[in-house]
Amino acid sequence: AQKVTQAQTEISVVEKEDVTLDCVYETRDTTYYLFWYKQPPSGELVFLIRRNSFDEQNEISGRYSWNFQKSTSSFNFTITASQVVDSAVYFCALSEAEGAQKLVFGQGTRLTINP
Amino acid sequence: ETGVTQSPTHLIKTRGQQVTLRCSSQSGHNTVSWYQQALGQGPQFIFQYYREEENGRGNFPPRFSGLQFPNYSSELNVNALELDDSALYLCASSLQHYYGYTFGSGTRLTVV
Repeated sequence: AQKVTQAQTEISVVEKEDVTLDCVYETRDTTYYLFWYKQPPSGELVFLIRRNSFDEQNEISGRYSWNFQKSTSSFNFTITASQVVDSAVYFCALSEAEGAQKLVFGQGTRLTINP
Repeated sequence: ETGVTQSPTHLIKTRGQQVTLRCSSQSGHNTVSWYQQALGQGPQFIFQYYREEENGRGNFPPRFSGLQFPNYSSELNVNALELDDSALYLCASSLQHYYGYTFGSGTRLTVV
């Protein structure tokens, strides 16, 4: 069975600090996808990134970066120079590559950026 | 390009009643998935519809059922509501064979 663990329930930092959100996953599949979503107070899940299990290259998008390490089954997310607008709940998710490709989510990390 | 629209945004029902939640998928998307998100938890997969047929189901009882219409919009029906059904229900649409989900803002259901 697939499982995603986000051990950090809540993180609070001061604006401009760097912050890393941890994500560890479990799956027996050799091909799978990993995701990060942001959920602001309005409720919708905002897509941030999708990573194929065969692509272990780290990715950077502006202040956001992702570190995928297959050897440790981790897919961590770092925000550099955090801003108040980054405050939200962040979810890591895993999906199978075939079938319904349902998303299996972690519990989420509530990130608060204080001015 | 319109996104995913869900209605209603909020709903209060009494235990034992039935409820229908609606979702209009993003233009061009033919697959709709429903998720239940309890307070403080991650979303849990309920089921998926592709071309008007159920294409996968999570660990939810049969009183959770759904429909997808020819225009790819969808309904989630829950019978015999229980207090634990109180949650945010999220709809997500995608284009089959091109992977990427667009989520709606959800329907907040409260069962009293």
